[in-house]
Amino acid sequence: EAQVTQNPRYLITVTGKKLTVTCSQNMNHEYMSWYRQDPGLGLRQIYYSMNVEVTDKGDVPEGYKVSRKEKRNFPLILESPSPNQTSLYFCASSGAENTEAFFGQGTRLTVV
Amino acid sequence: AQSVTQPDIHITVSEGASLELRCNYSYGATPYLFWYVQSPGQGLQLLLKYFSGDTLVQGIKGFEAEFKRSQSSFNLRKPSVHWSDAAEYFCAVGAIGYSTLTFGKGTMLLVSP
Repeated sequence: EAQVTQNPRYLITVTGKKLTVTCSQNMNHEYMSWYRQDPGLGLRQIYYSMNVEVTDKGDVPEGYKVSRKEKRNFPLILESPSPNQTSLYFCASSGAENTEAFFGQGTRLTVV
Repeated sequence: AQSVTQPDIHITVSEGASLELRCNYSYGATPYLFWYVQSPGQGLQLLLKYFSGDTLVQGIKGFEAEFKRSQSSFNLRKPSVHWSDAAEYFCAVGAIGYSTLTFGKGTMLLVSP
């Protein structure tokens, strides 16, 4: 089954404690992205990757890092989380032009 | 820069009535347009997409959308709403490869008995 898998689904952490949210896709897609969803703001892109070792900033990259060492994986790293990063995070992947974007189930992060 | 506007934050529709959710976009070239639905606690599911060709696009769950270039709009419609359609709906515009998919802020659909 084609899918994008995020882990964990829920995470509560404390300010400053480094964390990683993993994302993996099994569709051999070139493109992967991270979004955060906040009430009233919709989804905003954090980072995206067009292929292995190729990443770029989205609209709200501050406080986040990503890496793309393998085609299937695109982890999101918060080196020093802060309460304003409390949000619902989605990973997405898509293939070549004219294919849909597949989304993971989301990771609800709370930073206290 | 591309942008998407969904003018309605909330819409309430009676079950069995017709539905239209509005979406206006700003994009410098021919856009790729999408509608996604998000049920409570769930991820995003693609309802339909427009790339080129016929401007009336059919999607899943009985939804359709019409691309109107002159109005920069991509409104979502359904002839008869079911209670299970209650969810949040997002319009999005994309560039080649979807690396820059931009979402609207969403419209919450409530369905009354």
